[in-house]
Amino acid sequence: GAVVSQHPSRVICKSGTSVKIECRSLDFQATTMFWYRQFPKQSLMLMATSNEGSKATYEQGVEKDKFLINHASLTLSTLTVTSAHPEDSSFYICSARDKGPIYNSPLHFGNGTRLTVT
Amino acid sequence: AQKVTQAQTEISVVEKEDVTLDCVYETRDTTYYLFWYKQPPSGELVFLIRRNSFDEQNEISGRYSWNFQKSTSSFNFTITASQVVDSAVYFCALSGVFGGSQGNLIFGKGTKLSVKP
Repeated sequence: GAVVSQHPSRVICKSGTSVKIECRSLDFQATTMFWYRQFPKQSLMLMATSNEGSKATYEQGVEKDKFLINHASLTLSTLTVTSAHPEDSSFYICSARDKGPIYNSPLHFGNGTRLTVT
Repeated sequence: AQKVTQAQTEISVVEKEDVTLDCVYETRDTTYYLFWYKQPPSGELVFLIRRNSFDEQNEISGRYSWNFQKSTSSFNFTITASQVVDSAVYFCALSGVFGGSQGNLIFGKGTKLSVKP
């Protein structure tokens, strides 16, 4: 089945540094990718939607200058957490949708990245 | 607006018991999809089922079964003869098709299931 690879799975960084998380669709072309954030013991909240070749659409309350999303190709989207702070520590999960009509192309999730900012 | 409610925050059962996880959804879309995902402690989301709004047939997959009731906007999940390995957080999710949706999922808050030996 379709696989989405997310890297790294865990990252620890110092406050003030930037961290890049990659999301790759391995055997399909992902027109649309989604980035979710999950706080401990909470649900997944959509942060932004990225479409290949265009600017990402951010959900209300998500700082676009802090969470930079680049969807440069049909198989790769990156999320960069800039000037990370301890409150950015969270579990980030990407998902990708195959090309084609929405009703016939399910979402595939990466395994998530656990970010810890010290 | 779309919304998914999982009223049960945590459930604890003893192995071999049956357990039902509730899910109620709200949407204005006439065509939509419902999902269940399992999230073990390792964090990844494991896809369990996808059901479209036109298919109200119940589904059974091994020890898992799903009851979709459009009249009550519910999509409940039952695990029969639960096992310790079933311990995880289970998320119910909703995806619209029209109305500007790009297929992202709206998740419920999840139900943490603990199965004790």
